[in-house]
Amino acid sequence: RKEVEQDPGPFNVPEGATVAFNCTYSNSASQSFFWYRQDCRKEPKLLMSVYSSGNEDGRFTAQLNRASQYISLLIRDSKLSDSATYLCAVTPGGYQKVTFGIGTKLQVIP
Amino acid sequence: EAQVTQNPRYLITVTGKKLTVTCSQNMNHEYMSWYRQDPGLGLRQIYYSMNVEVTDKGDVPEGYKVSRKEKRNFPLILESPSPNQTSLYFCASSLDSPDEYSPLHFGNGTRLTVT
Repeated sequence: RKEVEQDPGPFNVPEGATVAFNCTYSNSASQSFFWYRQDCRKEPKLLMSVYSSGNEDGRFTAQLNRASQYISLLIRDSKLSDSATYLCAVTPGGYQKVTFGIGTKLQVIP
Repeated sequence: EAQVTQNPRYLITVTGKKLTVTCSQNMNHEYMSWYRQDPGLGLRQIYYSMNVEVTDKGDVPEGYKVSRKEKRNFPLILESPSPNQTSLYFCASSLDSPDEYSPLHFGNGTRLTVT
């Protein structure tokens, strides 16, 4: 089983829609969780860290479910500019590594 | 401007010709790391460094070397490149060991082609 798993998509959603992605992780001792955004052939950019209690940044909401070992990202009122690949990342407990999922591609259509 | 700088952005080379990809950060970050990104495989960690003279293997270290002689620099060395090392490479750094308060920041990538 992969350490971090994501549905690669693509998810095609109309502008204004709400879309949610999940990301599962296999190591129950994982400590830190992140969502990154990557535009085609560009570097990943931090979208948000995921805190235990969940957190929100504008139209974006991230949640952590330790019992079921997944994190989620909710995007409300999708914009054309949200079209990108969304990568989840996890630090396995006790290791100074960051492991990434393969990313979920989102295409927002007019 | 706070950033992670990689050079070169694009590199085409031949099998066996040693090359170095440089990475430098100006944020006084302790932690630095190299990743490669391949279609269908995502980002995979090659090496990482917690501090000067402290380096450790990631998930795919074979065929690569790194050094951390100065805090700001973390070059990636391919002693004898092979075609299977054709990939998009990213350097990243964080203030300390990566966590939600010290996330990774990425350089803008190096696209390497080995023929």
